[in-house]
Amino acid sequence: GAGVSQSPSNKVTEKGKDVELRCDPISGHTALYWYRQSLGQGLEFLIYFQGNSAPDKSGLPSDRFSAERTGGSVSTLTIQRTQQEDSAVYLCASSFGGGAWETQYFGPGTRLLVL
Amino acid sequence: GQQVMQIPQYQHVQEGEDFTTYCNSSTTLSNIQWYKQRPGGHPVFLIQLVKSGEVKKQKRLTFQFGEAKKNSSLHITATQTTDVGTYFCAGDTGNQFYFGTGTSLTVIP
Repeated sequence: GAGVSQSPSNKVTEKGKDVELRCDPISGHTALYWYRQSLGQGLEFLIYFQGNSAPDKSGLPSDRFSAERTGGSVSTLTIQRTQQEDSAVYLCASSFGGGAWETQYFGPGTRLLVL
Repeated sequence: GQQVMQIPQYQHVQEGEDFTTYCNSSTTLSNIQWYKQRPGGHPVFLIQLVKSGEVKKQKRLTFQFGEAKKNSSLHITATQTTDVGTYFCAGDTGNQFYFGTGTSLTVIP
């Protein structure tokens, strides 16, 4: 079936505006992860969902960042009052059960540019 | 279809043996990154390769980027139990990231 999809693929916004990023995981995958990659840096973990609950929110960089997942499927990552340092590629991944050995399948990412 | 293929999917080695995982892309990559995910943990960035034919070393780990910038490898010399985890590559075409499915390494003491 289809892989992980994300939308939009690219987003340009003005500083101070809110943005919402969407992730559609692979059907049947219970675990969903959000990461971001800033320019020249590696992958940074943001948040992890198991079903609709988020047992690990440790990576959210500030209270301007929030995420939710409904119906155990689609997830949205919301960034309020965007700042220029929020510019990055935001990646979503899903895995079947969220177990340590399970492969995470990544989406193509959303490239966010805050002007 | 899958843009970046990674093999093998699983690898079991005796402690002290070497280990290699390979990453192949169907398109030319602007750069490639390698990550390690420990059991129960999250992917951790290891290294980024940018130049054609580039070779970088981190202690017992050797990373190589192919001349055509379509393939890469990670080699671990004399594995230790601390090397256990899933290693995956991520290729950047400049427009999108394509992540490999990872190689799960088990090191038998």
